[in-house]
Amino acid sequence: DAGITQSPRHKVTETGTPVTLRCHQTENHRYMYWYRQDPGHGLRLIHYSYGVKDTDKGEVSDGYSVSRSKTEDFLLTLESATSSQTSVYFCAISSGTGGGYEQYFGPGTRLTVT
Amino acid sequence: AQSVTQLDSHVSVSEGTPVLLRCNYSSSYSPSLFWYVQHPNKGLQLLLKYTSAATLVKGINGFEAEFKKSETSFHLTKPSAHMSDAAEYFCVVRLSASKIIFGSGTRLSIRP
Repeated sequence: DAGITQSPRHKVTETGTPVTLRCHQTENHRYMYWYRQDPGHGLRLIHYSYGVKDTDKGEVSDGYSVSRSKTEDFLLTLESATSSQTSVYFCAISSGTGGGYEQYFGPGTRLTVT
Repeated sequence: AQSVTQLDSHVSVSEGTPVLLRCNYSSSYSPSLFWYVQHPNKGLQLLLKYTSAATLVKGINGFEAEFKKSETSFHLTKPSAHMSDAAEYFCVVRLSASKIIFGSGTRLSIRP
């Protein structure tokens, strides 16, 4: 299995509080992604990174920010959590070289906003 | 607009019978295509990928998929289902590093 960890694995928080989820990789892959998974929607891209300090928005980026200060870590922050952000969050990595476009996924973080 | 459609939200087969999970995509050029599997409360695992080499792609656990450009399809098959195949399956289209589209998923159930 690709070396990807996510922390925390489970979190319950209250509306209006900030939350940060962490993704850590040991594969030295260039690309890192944050997705959310909700019933009936598959996975939807929140933000992605194509290098240290290089990030861009996905299709559902409102209410989320990211940072990548080093290759191995990609942080997702909910500045002020809302109930609509209750979801399962997955981090993914991809090398993007030599035809290696496949993604490898972390185990997920289940976030509940009450 | 580019998109991916998984034609069945739920497929149920008997153990030992063939599996067919259908996926159609819409793209203005040949994309990279993937199938992933997700077991309950787990992350997604790559089953197989198509990146413009052979149109018949073999993956893990006996799964394979055939890329048919004329039909814009990338259906996933397995000759004989096993109980351990019960999971959610996602068809994915990669158009660029920032444009990766997931289908809504097909839940596969296996009857003993």
